[in-house]
Amino acid sequence: NAGVMQNPRHLVRRRGQEARLRCSPMKGHSHVYWYRQLPEEGLKFMVYLQKENIIDESGMPKERFSAEFPKEGPSILRIQQVVRGDSAAYFCASSQGTGGTYNEQFFGPGTRLTVL
Amino acid sequence: GEDVEQSLFLSVREGDSSVINCTYTDSSSTYLYWYKQEPGAGLQLLTYIFSNMDMKQDQRLTVLLNKKDKHLSLRIADTQTGDSAIYFCAVPSNTGKLIFGQGTTLQVKP
Repeated sequence: NAGVMQNPRHLVRRRGQEARLRCSPMKGHSHVYWYRQLPEEGLKFMVYLQKENIIDESGMPKERFSAEFPKEGPSILRIQQVVRGDSAAYFCASSQGTGGTYNEQFFGPGTRLTVL
Repeated sequence: GEDVEQSLFLSVREGDSSVINCTYTDSSSTYLYWYKQEPGAGLQLLTYIFSNMDMKQDQRLTVLLNKKDKHLSLRIADTQTGDSAIYFCAVPSNTGKLIFGQGTTLQVKP
């Protein structure tokens, strides 16, 4: 059973470009979470999605950031018109559900975004 | 909102015990987690404790939970150089997202 897959592992963009980060959850998991880790900091929650639904986007910046988890295919975190402050590691986690051990979140290896 | 605090750095000698501490504000969590992050890598779930337990032991790892003081600790016995990493305490919110501490960098000296 493959773990959580993220690609690309490293992404370099110039200011103003778009960044698309992909996450494939573990098999059998229908809940996806995105977290951002700025240099020398802990992880901060961004958004929580189930298939075709955004459940909690309280951690998402109001502009330029969007996320989706379509019925088929990976979850996508999209950052439009990137700025240098977007440089960070973006981690995706998946779980079977919520409540008890079903909330145990398994993390992907992360995508390290560098904005030049 | 929920807040989770950890000390930032701990240095120990190989073979000693390491104790990493964490305090949190939200007491409604059912489980509390410890994750390990090695340089350039993702997060690996180390262990967790159910909120109605005081202690959980798993080989070299011991987790202590003091619900009254909202204090969680992770003890690593016989610390090895391979234990050098950043350790994160994480507390679930009532919506399922994890609230992480800032991470404690554990340095193990040979």
